[in-house]
Amino acid sequence: EIVMTQSPATLSVSPGERATLSCRASQSVSTNLAWFQQKPGQPPRLLVYAASSRATGVPARFSGSGSGTEFTLTINSLQSEDFAVYFCHQYNSWPFTFGPGSKVDFK
Amino acid sequence: QVQLVESGGGVVQPGGSLRLSCAPSGFTFSNYDIHWVRQAPGKGLEWVASIRFDGSNKYYADSVEGRFTISRDNSQNTLFLQMNSLRVDDTALYYCAKLSVERHIWGHLDSWGQGTLVTVSS
Repeated sequence: EIVMTQSPATLSVSPGERATLSCRASQSVSTNLAWFQQKPGQPPRLLVYAASSRATGVPARFSGSGSGTEFTLTINSLQSEDFAVYFCHQYNSWPFTFGPGSKVDFK
Repeated sequence: QVQLVESGGGVVQPGGSLRLSCAPSGFTFSNYDIHWVRQAPGKGLEWVASIRFDGSNKYYADSVEGRFTISRDNSQNTLFLQMNSLRVDDTALYYCAKLSVERHIWGHLDSWGQGTLVTVSS
């Protein structure tokens, strides 16, 4: 099983700042990596797939990068609605696995 | 608009059973693999099971293998998860999620339901 790790566990930022979240896979997942945003009481929302492709309707301030084992989600000019938990997810091999999440909260 | 609506959750004693359902709309259900993913309260996401678009193959997490059964009825546009021998650590919000690519086994999960809560407690 591919183990996904994320850092930091919590990132405190102010609106308008940039947030950079990291995700690491225990073995290569190529670019078969997605990022989800989750707010309290809501299901995960797809932000990025194939490591760097934005899902439909996702603002351009969200960008993903990386390949192999190291991935990054960058949120430029953070808006109030971006404060949430972010999960990475590999779909390169069975079983599908998810990272533990990174929480972005108000500084 | 793609929608997935889960139902069937509830409170059950350890060792008991529940059957979850997932009702899709807004896409051709019979063309897509569907997955179940769960989230324990305050915790992360755990993949549970998946089924091929035509029901030909099913896949399970080790933690549920032999206890849970995924199935689908394409004529009725419904997905099921039969959960037997439930344990306290099965307590979670259960989501059904659609794979992104038609008739393909690989792809990302692009649409999720709101989830149905399963609580296993004595």
